[in-house]
Amino acid sequence: DTAVSQTPKYLVTQMGNDKSIKCEQNLGHDTMYWYKQDSKKFLKIMFSYNNKELIINETVPNRFSPKSPDKAHLNLHINSLELGDSAVYFCASSSQTGGGNQPQHFGDGTRLSIL
Amino acid sequence: GDSVTQMEGPVTLSEEAFLTINCTYTATGYPSLFWYVQYPGEGLQLLLKATKADDKGSNKGFEATYRKETTSFHLEKGSVQVSDSAVYFCALKDSGGSNYKLTFGKGTLLTVNP
Repeated sequence: DTAVSQTPKYLVTQMGNDKSIKCEQNLGHDTMYWYKQDSKKFLKIMFSYNNKELIINETVPNRFSPKSPDKAHLNLHINSLELGDSAVYFCASSSQTGGGNQPQHFGDGTRLSIL
Repeated sequence: GDSVTQMEGPVTLSEEAFLTINCTYTATGYPSLFWYVQYPGEGLQLLLKATKADDKGSNKGFEATYRKETTSFHLEKGSVQVSDSAVYFCALKDSGGSNYKLTFGKGTLLTVNP
């Protein structure tokens, strides 16, 4: 009954490869997000989708391409992985009803390590 | 733009000590304020929230009051436990067009020793 689930939990790969991280939420939320947490624990928004429409793209390299096939899923595809992409990536979801004051619910994160 | 500043850690306390983690913010609209907690190896969990001035959020013995005059949302707990050891994040969600994202502080690592 996990609310926001992302897979895989760990991802170890070589520089230059292409990889995807999947995210699914069963909360009925209309908005989903991707955040990046660096080695110093700093969290920064990457993307936000509302009803499958891209709302926020925070100066993320175009090697990162989010895909939202439906409101319950937001996947992240990364091309040509670089060493600096090593981080923990968190998916989150929320409801925008009520003026957008609802909290975001986070997945457990995907730890990406680039060799 | 929006920003959140919280006290740098790490913070180390003995069990039953009083905890304060300071958080101040700047925002263009009327933000909602949140504290999230991240236990080791886990994702973020909402700890408490406040959506308007003078609101007090509380949960698990933690409290924070939305102070518009000082643009602050300090987290407090009267008696910490070892199980409170985690990273605590202050965050804001602005109103209007930018309410699709959370802006986080840098996080404060709390370690509680028995």
